Amino acid sequence: ELKVEQNPLFLSMQEGKNYTIYCNYSTTSDRLYWYRQDPGKSLESLFVLLSNGAVKQEGRLMASLDTKARLSTLHITAAVHDLSATYFCAVDNTDKLIFGTGTRLQVFP
Amino acid sequence: DSGVTQTPKHLITATGQRVTLRCSPRSGDLSVYWYQQSLDQGLQFLIQYYNGEERAKGNILERFSAQQFPDLHSELNLSSLELGDSALYFCASSVAAAVQETQYFGPGTRLLVL
Repeated sequence: ELKVEQNPLFLSMQEGKNYTIYCNYSTTSDRLYWYRQDPGKSLESLFVLLSNGAVKQEGRLMASLDTKARLSTLHITAAVHDLSATYFCAVDNTDKLIFGTGTRLQVFP
Repeated sequence: DSGVTQTPKHLITATGQRVTLRCSPRSGDLSVYWYQQSLDQGLQFLIQYYNGEERAKGNILERFSAQQFPDLHSELNLSSLELGDSALYFCASSVAAAVQETQYFGPGTRLLVL
């Protein structure tokens, strides 16, 4: 059974700092997705990574995928308060998305 | 706004009851997915429909069923409700059948079973 783990579960960081969220998964998959969820809101697609070595960037967020290590990272550069949210990775498992536990990010001044 | 609509936004009901959640996908999207989000189980895939046909099944209980109608809207039926069914239920839609297509999530229906 595919398991998807995120680390850390909770992250409190100061504005302007950098940090990385890790997403590990237990079986082979070439496709990984990152979503953002604001409190009480729906999920918003951030990145779709479809191959080994894929790297995508949008603003202060950059996601990468290493399928051999079964690892994806979401790097935050110079964090701002607006990035405060919960971030989920999800892995494609035979046409089903298996979500990680989520990382709750809080950015403070 | 993703373009996916869900009704109702909130639902409060009693154990043993049956409810129906409704989802309208984005215009042009043929796939509809249902997810359950709860504190103890996290975010779980329930079921996918593509152009009216069931395409993939996840951790959906036998008490739950879904269908997609010719106009592509979908309904998720939950019956014999238990306290543990209290959760946020999302639907998502995408253009094609393959899961690698970006899925656009609706605002969710918050179900509380008392």
